Amino acid sequence: EPEVTQTPSHQVTQMGQEVILRCVPISNHLYFYWYRQILGQKVEFLVSFYNNEISEKSEIFDDQFSVERPDGSNFTLKIRSTKLEDSAMYFCASSAGVPLAGSTDTQYFGPGTRLTVL
Amino acid sequence: AQSVTQLDSHVSVSEGTPVLLRCNYSSSYSPSLFWYVQHPNKGLQLLLKYTSAATLVKGINGFEAEFKKSETSFHLTKPSAHMSDAAEYFCVVSPLSGGSYIPTFGRGTSLIVHP
Repeated sequence: EPEVTQTPSHQVTQMGQEVILRCVPISNHLYFYWYRQILGQKVEFLVSFYNNEISEKSEIFDDQFSVERPDGSNFTLKIRSTKLEDSAMYFCASSAGVPLAGSTDTQYFGPGTRLTVL
Repeated sequence: AQSVTQLDSHVSVSEGTPVLLRCNYSSSYSPSLFWYVQHPNKGLQLLLKYTSAATLVKGINGFEAEFKKSETSFHLTKPSAHMSDAAEYFCVVSPLSGGSYIPTFGRGTSLIVHP
C-alpha cells in the first residue's frame, strides 16, 4: 500500500536555528497538509496546500512558517528562527482530493517528525 | 466554531470484551466526522468517516461509529477487543460547508487492552 514518508524521524536543533522538515506524499495525490502535536496536547492543523499554493492555514501558521513543493515529489515545512515552544511532533498528510464527508478521498498521514528545540 | 471532546483520556478493556470510545462535538456547520487511530511510531490511520447517507458508519478492523445529531455524539465501538487494538484514537470534526476544511482534533483516547 502506498504511504507518506517523512524525514528525519527526529530532529534536534538549537533555538533560533532554521529547520526544514521533509515529506514525500503519495505520488498521485494533489492536496498536502501539515499538522503538529505538542506533547500531551491535541493534534493541530497548520496548513493545506494545493496547486502550488496555500489553500488554508491556521492561526498557528504565522510568518515563521513556510511550505514548499520544490519538486514533483517532496513537500517541505520550513520553520525559521525556532523557539522552544516549536518542539512537537509534525505530521505530513496527503489526499487525492479534499476529504470531506461526501467524498471518498482520505487523508493519509506520515509517521511524523519529532522536533526538539533546545 | 467547532470543537471536539473525547470524554475519556484512557479506556482499559480485557481482550474479547466490547470497546466504547466516546466523542462529542459541536459545529456551526453540518460536520464531517472522522476517527483516526495511531499506533506507536506510526502515522494516523483513518478508521472511518461519517457521510450524511448513513448514521451508522462501519470502518476497518471491526470498528463502527454512530452519528447521533440530537446528542451531538459520534462514539466509536467494537464488539470484541483485540490486543492489536491497543493504540491512541482521535475523533476529528471538520465543516462540511462554509468553504473551509480546517479540522479540529480531540485530545485522544488511549485504548489499553489486557490479555
